[in-house]
Amino acid sequence: DAGVTQSPTHLIKTRGQQVTLRCSPKSGHDTVSWYQQALGQGPQFIFQYYEEEERQRGNFPDRFSGHQFPNYSSELNVNALLLGDSALYLCASSLGHGRAGNTQYFGPGTRLTVL
Amino acid sequence: AQSVTQPDIHITVSEGASLELRCNYSYGATPYLFWYVQSPGQGLQLLLKYFSGDTLVQGIKGFEAEFKRSQSSFNLRKPSVHWSDAAEYFCAVGPYTGGFKTIFGAGTRLFVKA
Repeated sequence: DAGVTQSPTHLIKTRGQQVTLRCSPKSGHDTVSWYQQALGQGPQFIFQYYEEEERQRGNFPDRFSGHQFPNYSSELNVNALLLGDSALYLCASSLGHGRAGNTQYFGPGTRLTVL
Repeated sequence: AQSVTQPDIHITVSEGASLELRCNYSYGATPYLFWYVQSPGQGLQLLLKYFSGDTLVQGIKGFEAEFKRSQSSFNLRKPSVHWSDAAEYFCAVGPYTGGFKTIFGAGTRLFVKA
């Protein structure tokens, strides 16, 4: 049973560029959340997708956008990259949107470096 | 507002010694609490979770945590630390009804000395 997978593993971009990160949820899961983890900090919630719609959003600007596909996989897009966007981006999947206490399973992350 | 505090940025323990990592939360209702571990450059692995019932929760790798509502705490413990336990540990609360995000603490880095 495959867990959560993310691609690419590492990515280097320059300021102003755009980036797309990808996530495949754990088999049987229908909900995907994205987190940003800056160096030395805990993960910060970006947004969550369920039924191909964004259901909740954290305190991130509109430069951060996403998408969920019919097979439940998801993409995170970041436009107009800033140096401060350098971080580990984590994808987490779970089953059953809106259930309190759902356990999330995390992927290994994508390390984004903005130069 | 919901929040999670991990008071210790880093802790060093000797191999074989006991470990306790502290976690305090602020939450308006019954919390759903988690501990995750993260090895360098890796994603998060779930160690254990508390939803309800017995306040002492057993997890993987010999870890346990105790929920104390009166102290708003959910401390992680292990009776005997192994060198392979060196990692970053995150306490988290959520997701919760009406909101879907999980809130993480800033983490505690565990160093294990021989």
